[in-house]
Amino acid sequence: GAGVSQSPSNKVTEKGKDVELRCDPISGHTALYWYRQSLGQGLEFLIYFQGNSAPDKSGLPSDRFSAERTGGSVSTLTIQRTQQEDSAVYLCASSPYRVLSDTGELFFGEGSRLTVL
Amino acid sequence: AQKITQTQPGMFVQEKEAVTLDCTYDTSDPSYGLFWYKQPSSGEMIFLIYQGSYDQQNATEGRYSLNFQKARKSANLVISASQLGDSAMYFCAMREPFQGAQKLVFGQGTRLTINP
Repeated sequence: GAGVSQSPSNKVTEKGKDVELRCDPISGHTALYWYRQSLGQGLEFLIYFQGNSAPDKSGLPSDRFSAERTGGSVSTLTIQRTQQEDSAVYLCASSPYRVLSDTGELFFGEGSRLTVL
Repeated sequence: AQKITQTQPGMFVQEKEAVTLDCTYDTSDPSYGLFWYKQPSSGEMIFLIYQGSYDQQNATEGRYSLNFQKARKSANLVISASQLGDSAMYFCAMREPFQGAQKLVFGQGTRLTINP
């Protein structure tokens, strides 16, 4: 498919378990974002990758959260020792643009819904 | 500090009326971009409109227009002739420079309900 792909679409896990969420951005997009959206809430910025630059990790809520992006393409968000407050939809987005003169529209995936019991 | 503020958690509007969704932002950088996204109940994020900080004219896309008031740091979304399908969450977002590239942050959103 041509869009941003996320997997799994739904994940139910037990408190204390580790989870990995995967994002496959649109081919050629240099920018990749992870956001978290709790029920009925806005989008909380987690982490941003841009090309080969060091990622902006300023939004990660705790050291239980980490993310990597391999080969400038696929990204994995890892949550260790999950807690119930981690339950949310995790959205990934990619963008082909990096300069302000470009519109820089973000293309979103459909999200991974995480439920921690 | 909050970068993007949407002060209207919810709005109710009659069909065919125009509606304005408020957004104010905070940045000290002269180069930035402003976006509006729509999120229907299905959960997908739909890009609506974009305004660059150096753009001289307000952006328009069909029934959507962005009322950009730079001195007041506001970027309100105006939807003309509202339709039932406009019922959704609406998010304002700002892109500002980070390490030579761009980082995008979102407001808390406004839930718009269009009544028949």
